[in-house]
Amino acid sequence: QVQLVESGGGVVQPGGSLRLSCAASGFTFSNYGMHWVRQAPGKGLEWVAFIRHDGTTNYYADSVKGRFTISRDNSKSTVYLQINSLGAEDTAVYYCAKDHSSNWSYFDYWGQGTLVTVSS
Amino acid sequence: DIQMTQSPSSLSASVGDRVTITCRASQRISSYLNWYQQKPGKAPELLIYSASNLQSGVPSRFSGSGSGTDFTLTISSVQPEYIATYYCQQSYSVPFTFGGGTKLE
Repeated sequence: QVQLVESGGGVVQPGGSLRLSCAASGFTFSNYGMHWVRQAPGKGLEWVAFIRHDGTTNYYADSVKGRFTISRDNSKSTVYLQINSLGAEDTAVYYCAKDHSSNWSYFDYWGQGTLVTVSS
Repeated sequence: DIQMTQSPSSLSASVGDRVTITCRASQRISSYLNWYQQKPGKAPELLIYSASNLQSGVPSRFSGSGSGTDFTLTISSVQPEYIATYYCQQSYSVPFTFGGGTKLE
């Protein structure tokens, strides 16, 4: 069965950096696009970033453009999110989600999330 | 960016009730509209994709309709396990925006 397991969250000071990882299993990882979606405490869902199945195309939300970088290693079935210049507004649970297609369509499987807390 | 507006933001229902949640896009998105269910403390799960297609394993009490700018999610008979927040999301164009959510209580 499809499994997505995020890791790398934690408490970080304002201006700091983290790298989130999402290890995938149960499907041919290199065939599917992947997303990161976040949810601030008590708030709704916010799409953050997308990467095509082959890593050739990335898209970002305006709120993170220039600070966040999505990447993937198909040999390790893992997608990453490098997050830099963190501010309080980045405090959230970060979910990785599998796309149904190689490009983009809908998010058919989600991980359990990893919490990033920005605090001094 | 395409704005997604859900209504109502919260909804109280009894077991067996029929409920409808609406989602409106700020521009036409054809049928590129998806619905997710998020139970308290859990990750979201896909319910319906492309406006009206039920994801495998989702009970047939759930249904979706609409195209263009106006969409609906209907639960034909609410069950206790359906207590959750429901989100619509457009996959027509980047950024892939979500509605604000509808909390079913």
